[in-house]
Amino acid sequence: DQQVKQNSPSLSVQEGRISILNCDYTNSMFDYFLWYKKYPAEGPTFLISISSIKDKNEDGRFTVFLNKSAKHLSLHIVPSQPGDSAVYFCAASAYGNGNQFYFGTGTSLTVIP
Amino acid sequence: EAGVTQFPSHSVIEKGQTVTLRCDPISGHDNLYWYRRVMGKEIKFLLHFVKESKQDESGMPNNRFLAERTGGTYSTLKVQPAELEDSGVYFCASSQGGLTNEKLFFGSGTQLSVL
Repeated sequence: DQQVKQNSPSLSVQEGRISILNCDYTNSMFDYFLWYKKYPAEGPTFLISISSIKDKNEDGRFTVFLNKSAKHLSLHIVPSQPGDSAVYFCAASAYGNGNQFYFGTGTSLTVIP
Repeated sequence: EAGVTQFPSHSVIEKGQTVTLRCDPISGHDNLYWYRRVMGKEIKFLLHFVKESKQDESGMPNNRFLAERTGGTYSTLKVQPAELEDSGVYFCASSQGGLTNEKLFFGSGTQLSVL
């Protein structure tokens, strides 16, 4: 049973606009969330993370929002750039769970120039 | 600093054959993970080493899969005998260990095709 879900397999956005990628989780014990970015033929690379004690974390053009009551997080990219075109994976872990990370199925983002 | 390296990058084998994948984690990283992604699906956990010990192997599909990490350095994942459903991209990841809220560093993966 999947504990981390990304229900949108793909998303297309115009360059300069905002990209919003969504992620839902089912395990209320998750307390640490990450976003990874993956280009073809490469491994996922860390993008941004958020701890459950926060509801927002910002790093440059990337902001992650966490809504614990809804068990939902989102990644905002603004402004979107063509180089942001990649597959984005949401991941979650629970403290004391031996550092096991659960990943979603990914959302393929295409930024149109 | 060298990243996580995996070998081979691609492997095409026939059903029933044996394949061994190798992962070299970032130097000094105690935690080593194996994950697998079947096309379009999630990146699924297989197992986790802390140094040379298996911390969690709950994600290993069956006893055709054997992972080792001798000496707590590089790791191998052997599939014997391979079946069609074993096809996918096998990712290795490592993390330092001993910290809270760590992040994983991934290798480029091994694309395994079982025909």
